Amino acid sequence: GQNIDQPTEMTATEGAIVQINCTYQTSGFNGLFWYQQHAGEAPTFLSYNVLDGLEEKGRFSSFLSRSKGYSYLLLKELQMKDSASYLCAVRAPRDGGYNKLIFGAGTRLAVHP
Amino acid sequence: DGGITQSPKYLFRKEGQNVTLSCEQNLNHDAMYWYRQDPGQGLRLIYYSQIVNDFQKGDIAEGYSVSREKKESFPLTVTSAQKNPTAFYLCASSIGQGSYGYTFGSGTRLTVV
Repeated sequence: GQNIDQPTEMTATEGAIVQINCTYQTSGFNGLFWYQQHAGEAPTFLSYNVLDGLEEKGRFSSFLSRSKGYSYLLLKELQMKDSASYLCAVRAPRDGGYNKLIFGAGTRLAVHP
Repeated sequence: DGGITQSPKYLFRKEGQNVTLSCEQNLNHDAMYWYRQDPGQGLRLIYYSQIVNDFQKGDIAEGYSVSREKKESFPLTVTSAQKNPTAFYLCASSIGQGSYGYTFGSGTRLTVV
């Protein structure tokens, strides 16, 4: 089966660092995406990992370990506007080999002053 | 600017009525997708289409129907057979099988009254 797990909620303080974990068990793997979604809005792309290691993009970094089925999103210098849900999504082949994104339930992050 | 447009943003439906949600993209993407988002759950795939005049069922297709008569358009009809239609519906598109991720529309919130 396909399973993607991430914590439901997290809280952090403005200016701090927070790490959001994602573990996955999927039949096949062709990349992992992180999206940010503010309430009632469209998810927006944050990062993409297909090889093991760390990808850094400004205040956001994402790590992948394919052997462990594990990824994390690291947010530095937190700002109030980072309060949002963060979605982990695995790209995997399904239905005769066509790749699609499978989403976790999302982690709701609240940043406090 | 290229993008993906969903309309309306809010939609109210009486029980027993069919309703159609619009999704239009001008990104020249081949593939389009419909997801449903419920509180505490990940995005669940309803239908997807790889090319014009072709579409496949996703994980929760019962009570829904789609068409893909034009590359730009992928409307979703929520029929009276869908027992619990109140949800946030997201349309997305991708180049090919989503190697670069998906671009999402801003969503339609459907409420049954």
